[in-house]
Amino acid sequence: RKEVEQDPGPFNVPEGATVAFNCTYSNSASQSFFWYRQDCRKEPKLLMSVYSSGNEDGRFTAQLNRASQYISLLIRDSKLSDSATYLCVVTTSTGNQFYFGTGTSLTVIP
Amino acid sequence: ETGVTQTPRHLVMGMTNKKSLKCEQHLGHNAMYWYKQSAKKPLELMFVYSLEERVENNSVPSRFSPECPNSSHLFLHLHTLQPEDSALYLCASSQYDYNEQFFGPGTRLTVL
Repeated sequence: RKEVEQDPGPFNVPEGATVAFNCTYSNSASQSFFWYRQDCRKEPKLLMSVYSSGNEDGRFTAQLNRASQYISLLIRDSKLSDSATYLCVVTTSTGNQFYFGTGTSLTVIP
Repeated sequence: ETGVTQTPRHLVMGMTNKKSLKCEQHLGHNAMYWYKQSAKKPLELMFVYSLEERVENNSVPSRFSPECPNSSHLFLHLHTLQPEDSALYLCASSQYDYNEQFFGPGTRLTVL
């Protein structure tokens, strides 16, 4: 079983739409959780950390469900500039292993 | 952004060549990482260095040899690579223990 699994998409949504991505992880002892964004032929960049209580940054909301072992990312009022691949990242309890999902591709259409 | 830099950005090499990738971080972090990103596959962690000591080596073939002379610099020495080693090689740094990683722009490697 993969450490981290994501729906690869692609998700094609119109501008202004709300879109949600889920990511499941297999290790119940996982410690930290992140969402990264990767544009075509660029490096991944941190979008937001995911906290147990859930957190929001503008149009982006991240949530963690430890019981079901998944994290989610909600994007409201999608912009064209949100088009990218979104990577789910989970770290182990030892802190030195970062597991990346394969990414979910999002295209926001005018 | 110049927090983590990598050189060269592009590299084409033959299977008998020896080359090195360089990574430098200007963020004062104490951990550095090498990743490989191939098409349609998730990022694969190759090596982890914390405080200049290797703490993780994910069964990477010996034709890849890392070197971390200090906390700001990380090298990946390459020799007798195979065409399937062609990929984007990303360097990252972080403050150790669970913290988010910051990536360099990567070196796109092609092995002929």
